[in-house]
Amino acid sequence: EVQLVESGGDLMQPGRSLRLTCAASGFDFDEHAIHWVRQAPGKGLEWVAGISWNSGSIGYVDSVRGRFTISRDTATKSVYLEMNSLGLEDTAFYYCVRDTNAYIRGTFDPWGQGTLVIVSS
Amino acid sequence: IQMTQSPSSLSASVGDRVTITCRASQSLSNQINWYQWKPGGAPKLLISSISTLQSGVPSRFRGSGAATEFTLTITSLQPEDLGSYFCQQSYRTPYTFGQGTKLEI
Repeated sequence: EVQLVESGGDLMQPGRSLRLTCAASGFDFDEHAIHWVRQAPGKGLEWVAGISWNSGSIGYVDSVRGRFTISRDTATKSVYLEMNSLGLEDTAFYYCVRDTNAYIRGTFDPWGQGTLVIVSS
Repeated sequence: IQMTQSPSSLSASVGDRVTITCRASQSLSNQINWYQWKPGGAPKLLISSISTLQSGVPSRFRGSGAATEFTLTITSLQPEDLGSYFCQQSYRTPYTFGQGTKLEI
């Protein structure tokens, strides 16, 4: 069974850093790009970042570029989202999603259950 | 690319034909996907590339459209179709989503 399990969500103060982890299982990790998508309370879904199978192609939404870093580790079949300079606007559920393609193509299947990040003073 | 989805909510009866529309701010070629999000679960890919039904998805779900206008149709609504539905463009980054349609049975 294909599974994506997110962890690392927490209550953080503005300006602090946090790392989210997505643990993948049940599929060939090297054959798929992986993304992070978030949903803030009462808001719609927002694509945050994506990384290709070999980390050769990476993309970010403008609102996080320069603050967030996506990376992946084949040995542990994990994808990370390093989040720096957290702001109130980063409060959201963060979902790890698998791309149907090895490269960043933007069709998401499946999705993880999400991890909650709350940024509050 | 802005994705405008309508309606934001709708209530329908079992057996009804339900239509959800998504309008893109520019042409997407065929790069639009539809997802279902049931309460307590994770979003699920229903349809990719306008009309390609994913494995295991009932044939009552249909996608159609072209360029900037796209439609998800449920031809005969079933009780298990309760949830939210949203469109998403995969034409270019940043990938963007419609605001979602909450479907009540």
